[in-house]
Amino acid sequence: DAGVIQSPRHEVTEMGQEVTLRCKPISGHNSLFWYRQTMMRGLELLIYFNNNVPIDDSGMPEDRFSAKMPNASFSTLKIQPSEPRDSAVYFCASSPTGATGNTIYFGEGSWLTVV
Amino acid sequence: GQNIDQPTEMTATEGAIVQINCTYQTSGFNGLFWYQQHAGEAPTFLSYNVLDGLEEKGRFSSFLSRSKGYSYLLLKELQMKDSASYLCAVSRDYKLSFGAGTTVTVRA
Repeated sequence: DAGVIQSPRHEVTEMGQEVTLRCKPISGHNSLFWYRQTMMRGLELLIYFNNNVPIDDSGMPEDRFSAKMPNASFSTLKIQPSEPRDSAVYFCASSPTGATGNTIYFGEGSWLTVV
Repeated sequence: GQNIDQPTEMTATEGAIVQINCTYQTSGFNGLFWYQQHAGEAPTFLSYNVLDGLEEKGRFSSFLSRSKGYSYLLLKELQMKDSASYLCAVSRDYKLSFGAGTTVTVRA
């Protein structure tokens, strides 16, 4: 079975540019999470979708960040404009019933560098 | 909130046992997870505890005490490939919050 698929795997962009990260969750999973990982702050939850609806976006750092889930098989995380401090690994994860008793499965991550 | 504390680093010898402790404070607790993350890779699921007690899975075991807000991950018969970061994560309101991770280094 295909796991969580993320693209791009690596991106280097200049400050001020728009960045769009993409995620395809595991088929049949109804919960989707976007996490950001840095050395300083570890793994932080940015936003959580259930059945394509954003349930909790309290972790989204600021208005420059936005996330959408137009259907059950696709989600995007957009940063506009990007800043050097946004450099991190962005993980998408999915779960069949949220994180209560069922594992969440992570994609391979999108490694973002903003210069 | 859910302050999740675990040691930053641990070192052990191949074949030995290492115990990684995790303490947490949270309301609405739904369960505790342990994940393994090798450098440059995604976290992968190791174990899940929702009731008090010990869950054993091969060389890895995880323990939970809800009243004490305490869990540990026990790694037995350490192998070089076990060198990784181990993340304690608490489930609350259907979300997982992660600790900073414990980097385990296995030496020959």
